[in-house]
Amino acid sequence: GAVVSQHPSRVICKSGTSVKIECRSLDFQATTMFWYRQFPKQSLMLMATSNEGSKATYEQGVEKDKFLINHASLTLSTLTVTSAHPEDSSFYICSAQTTGSTDTQYFGPGTRLTVL
Amino acid sequence: AQKVTQAQTEISVVEKEDVTLDCVYETRDTTYYLFWYKQPPSGELVFLIRRNSFDEQNEISGRYSWNFQKSTSSFNFTITASQVVDSAVYFCALSQNFGNEKLTFGTGTRLTIIP
Repeated sequence: GAVVSQHPSRVICKSGTSVKIECRSLDFQATTMFWYRQFPKQSLMLMATSNEGSKATYEQGVEKDKFLINHASLTLSTLTVTSAHPEDSSFYICSAQTTGSTDTQYFGPGTRLTVL
Repeated sequence: AQKVTQAQTEISVVEKEDVTLDCVYETRDTTYYLFWYKQPPSGELVFLIRRNSFDEQNEISGRYSWNFQKSTSSFNFTITASQVVDSAVYFCALSQNFGNEKLTFGTGTRLTIIP
């Protein structure tokens, strides 16, 4: 089956620093990747949709200058949380979708970010 | 606008009991997809099923079964003979038709199977 990896799995950083999270599709090409955020005991909320070679589409209320998304290749998308603050602490999950509108979305294992 | 409601926040059942997780959805699209995902304590989302809006047949996969009823906009999930390994948070989700599988998730149901 399709495998999506995320790195790092956990990260702790100081307030004001930037953190980069990588999402990779290991055995398929992902034309579209999605980034979700999940606060403790809450549901997943879509942050942005990322298409290879183009700018990401952000959901309402998500600051695009704070959450930088790059989808430079068909197997890699990155999310950079710039100038992180404690309120950005969350579980960040990416998913990848193969080419074609009827393909299922496969999720990565998530990255737990803690900002001190 | 799309919406998914999972009214059951937490459920606990004794092992070997059957349990049904409810999911009610709202959408204006005539074609859409419904999903169930399992999120164990490790955090990784595990895909369980995808069903398109034109296929109302119930599905069974081992101890899992799904009941899709468009008349009530529901897509319920039943686990028979529950096991401790079934303990997890289960999410129901909805996506639009073609070209955009942006998922709208429900708030999840935390299922605890008591040994």
